[in-house]
Amino acid sequence: AQKVTQAQTEISVVEKEDVTLDCVYETRDTTYYLFWYKQPPSGELVFLIRRNSFDEQNEISGRYSWNFQKSTSSFNFTITASQVVDSAVYFCALSELMNSGGYQKVTFGTGTKLQVIP
Amino acid sequence: DTEVTQTPKHLVMGMTNKKSLKCEQHMGHRAMYWYKQKAKKPPELMFVYSYEKLSINESVPSRFSPECPNSSLLNLHLHALQPEDSALYLCASSLITGAEQYFGPGTRLTVT
Repeated sequence: AQKVTQAQTEISVVEKEDVTLDCVYETRDTTYYLFWYKQPPSGELVFLIRRNSFDEQNEISGRYSWNFQKSTSSFNFTITASQVVDSAVYFCALSELMNSGGYQKVTFGTGTKLQVIP
Repeated sequence: DTEVTQTPKHLVMGMTNKKSLKCEQHMGHRAMYWYKQKAKKPPELMFVYSYEKLSINESVPSRFSPECPNSSLLNLHLHALQPEDSALYLCASSLITGAEQYFGPGTRLTVT
C-alpha cells in the first residue's frame, strides 16, 4: 500500500530564512506522481507542483524548489527567503496506478504546518 | 479559469435534516472528487467520479450520497448526519484521475 510520511508536524521560521519541508513516500509501483499542495488558513488547498516518477529533475519556481530523489524515496520542498504569506499547512501527496486506464487514488501525507514569523 | 466553486460556504444542519452540497467546475476536467477534512488532519477521500461515473467509494456511510449530473457538476446529498460528520467538505477536480487536483474553497458543515 502507498504511504506518505511528513515527519515534521510544525515548523517555525523567522521571515527571510530558508526552510525545507520533508516528504518520504512508499510505493510498490514504478509509475506514480508526487504532488505538493498548500493549505492557507482560509482552507482552500492550492496545487503547487506535480512530479512524474520518471523525471528526477529538480525544479525551481521563484522562491520554491523541489528535490526529488528516487533512491531515498523523498520529495522535499524548499522555500527560500520565506515570507509571512508562506504560512500554511503543506501537504505532500502520491498518486499510484491502481488499475489499467489511469491513476486512481491520491494519498496525502499528514501535512506540515509552517509558521513564518515577521 | 482554474476555479472550482462550492456552495454553500457554511452549513448548519440538524440530524434529521436533508441538505445538499454543490460543486462546479468549467475547466473541462473529467474527474471530480469529494473529500472530508477534520481539523489538523489531511483530506480524506470520500468519492471519485470519472467521466460522470462513480469509480471510487471509500466505504462512506450511506447517509452521504454523491451525484454527478453532468461533467461540470458534483453534488453531495446529506441525510440523517451525525455530529461526528461535522467537518470541512472539499470538492476537487482534475483532468483525469490521479492528475493534479484543483480544489474548491470547501463547505464547513456543522451537525447539531
